[in-house]
Amino acid sequence: ETGVTQTPRHLVMGMTNKKSLKCEQHLGHNAMYWYKQSAKKPLELMFVYNFKEQTENNSVPSRFSPECPNSSHLFLHLHTLQPEDSALYLCASSQAGQGNEQFFGPGTRLTVL
Amino acid sequence: GESVGLHLPTLSVQEGDNSIINCAYSNSASDYFIWYKQESGKGPQFIIDIRSNMDKRQGQRVTVLLNKTVKHLSLQIAATQPGDSAVYFCAETGGSNYKLTFGKGTLLTVNP
Repeated sequence: ETGVTQTPRHLVMGMTNKKSLKCEQHLGHNAMYWYKQSAKKPLELMFVYNFKEQTENNSVPSRFSPECPNSSHLFLHLHTLQPEDSALYLCASSQAGQGNEQFFGPGTRLTVL
Repeated sequence: GESVGLHLPTLSVQEGDNSIINCAYSNSASDYFIWYKQESGKGPQFIIDIRSNMDKRQGQRVTVLLNKTVKHLSLQIAATQPGDSAVYFCAETGGSNYKLTFGKGTLLTVNP
């Protein structure tokens, strides 16, 4: 295991639902990330948090709302999603600083009906 | 613009053969590179990394080669095994302190 856990592993939701994805890292890292992985596309960085402060919002629609209450936990709140938002959402963590690898969780497979 | 891409989207090899997966990058400020392996249903897993002051680094059955002149990165897997079947991504930092830019990925299939 990589030390990064994500729940739930699978989620099916309607377009009017509100749900949250949770990520927790047990590695003592101070940077956390949300990525979106769609079929046949490179990993897309969505949000970055360094020391609980959001340092990157990669033009993500407002229907995705991140929250980082502390350096070990990261949430992604979802509401009024679209079917094209269906994807694998990956959380990662790293020790902030140049040239440090990111450790990934197993991902949440999201399907929007 | 900045990009990290893979030359081949799929690679099929026989068990026991050596595999080579290639990656091109365009950001000359990139100074750190990583190869990840992603198996079905799992998140990407670190394989090996290399910094720009090196041109070769070896791990267990894997070797990464970096050619900064042509901005090319490759991953060599020796004696490929069925358990090596996965999608392989290269990633680079582009000089950032925390961001990684990923390539599209190459699907490696190992035939028994």
